[in-house]
Amino acid sequence: AQTVTQSQPEMSVQEAETVTLSCTYDTSENNYYLFWYKQPPSRQMILVIRQEAYKQQNATENRFSVNFQKAAKSFSLKISDSQLGDTAMYFCALDGFEGGGSNYKLTFGKGTLLTVNP
Amino acid sequence: DTGVSQDPRHKITKRGQNVTFRCDPISEHNRLYWYRQTLGQGPEFLTYFQNEAQLEKSRLLSDRFSAERPKGSFSTLEIQRTEQGDSAMYLCASRPGLAGHTDTQYFGPGTRLTVL
Repeated sequence: AQTVTQSQPEMSVQEAETVTLSCTYDTSENNYYLFWYKQPPSRQMILVIRQEAYKQQNATENRFSVNFQKAAKSFSLKISDSQLGDTAMYFCALDGFEGGGSNYKLTFGKGTLLTVNP
Repeated sequence: DTGVSQDPRHKITKRGQNVTFRCDPISEHNRLYWYRQTLGQGPEFLTYFQNEAQLEKSRLLSDRFSAERPKGSFSTLEIQRTEQGDSAMYLCASRPGLAGHTDTQYFGPGTRLTVL
């Protein structure tokens, strides 16, 4: 079974600073996709960034970038120039073909609650 | 706005009652997913539809749960004889499904169920 582990339940950062959220995963598949989703308080989950496992180049999306280490099965998210609106729960997710299933499905970590302080 | 919508947003019910939730995916998305999220946890997969066909159900989906997508558009999730352990946020997501699994799942706002 595929698993996703986020070892930091909570983090905080000062506005305008940089913060890195950690994620490790496990899968027996070679083709899969990794995502970071953001869930603000009482609001819906939105995509932050995605990474295809077959691509060596790390994905970037404005202030958000990832450090994808396939051999180590690590997928961290770096947020630069943190803003108050970045305060949210961040979920790392693996989109893979879990053994015994018939389709690709998302497996989520438990999340990291990020608070950006003014 | 043509995002994923869910109704109702909140539902409070008494133990033993039946409840039904609705999800309207993004237009022309042929794949639809249901997830359950409990407090302090990430979402967990419940079931998946491709068009009107329910292709997979999680072990989490007990016999009291049933999901349908009758015309391949909106979907309903029904919970019969609710239990307090069913209290959770129920999330719906959709994806185009035209490029295998390479496209992204888009989530609705969720239905928060409280069973008293």
